[in-house]
Amino acid sequence: DARVTQTPRHKVTEMGQEVTMRCQPILGHNTVFWYRQTMMQGLELLAYFRNRAPLDDSGMPKDRFSAEMPDATLATLKIQPSEPRDSAVYFCASGLSLSVVNNEQFFGPGTRLTVL
Amino acid sequence: EDQVTQSPEALRLQEGESSSLNCSYTVSGLRGLFWYRQDPGKGPEFLFTLYSAGEEKEKERLKATLTKKESFLHITAPKPEDSATYLCAVLRGTPLVFGKGTRLSVIA
Repeated sequence: DARVTQTPRHKVTEMGQEVTMRCQPILGHNTVFWYRQTMMQGLELLAYFRNRAPLDDSGMPKDRFSAEMPDATLATLKIQPSEPRDSAVYFCASGLSLSVVNNEQFFGPGTRLTVL
Repeated sequence: EDQVTQSPEALRLQEGESSSLNCSYTVSGLRGLFWYRQDPGKGPEFLFTLYSAGEEKEKERLKATLTKKESFLHITAPKPEDSATYLCAVLRGTPLVFGKGTRLSVIA
């Protein structure tokens, strides 16, 4: 049963600490997306990759957020230093294409981050 | 700027009471409109893609339709298991832009 996995599922940390979230996309998918979801803003795109190359990270606060794909089976999202306003659920999604056809994105279960 | 607005924010239905959810968008050059379902504590799950005005797609009790300015998700004779948040998203030249969703509760 192919699915996107994310770790950790929950993270509570103190302001100023580094947070690393990990995502394993579905094997064979060549696009990976990072989203953040809050009640106020809904689902926001932070960054996305195609064939491990970053295509757009304009949705991320550059001074504290970074996203990488060290290899095809791992995507990471780091926050350093973390702030209370970063508290949200972070989703990773993977897909086959950025075109309209086969654009279906498969979402992971999310990482719920709480920054105290 | 691309905008996606969903209404209502929340909807409470009795089991069997049909209704519709709305997704209006202001996007030039729409290439596709997507509907997702999200259960509490889970990631969104893909339902439909619509490509052009007039198109319709169905899945069980759900039917999605598309016009040039909005999409509707019709729910016929809903059951409690249809309770979820329904998200729509649009695709122009960049990855999906999501609306904030409609939270549907179906009461037995």
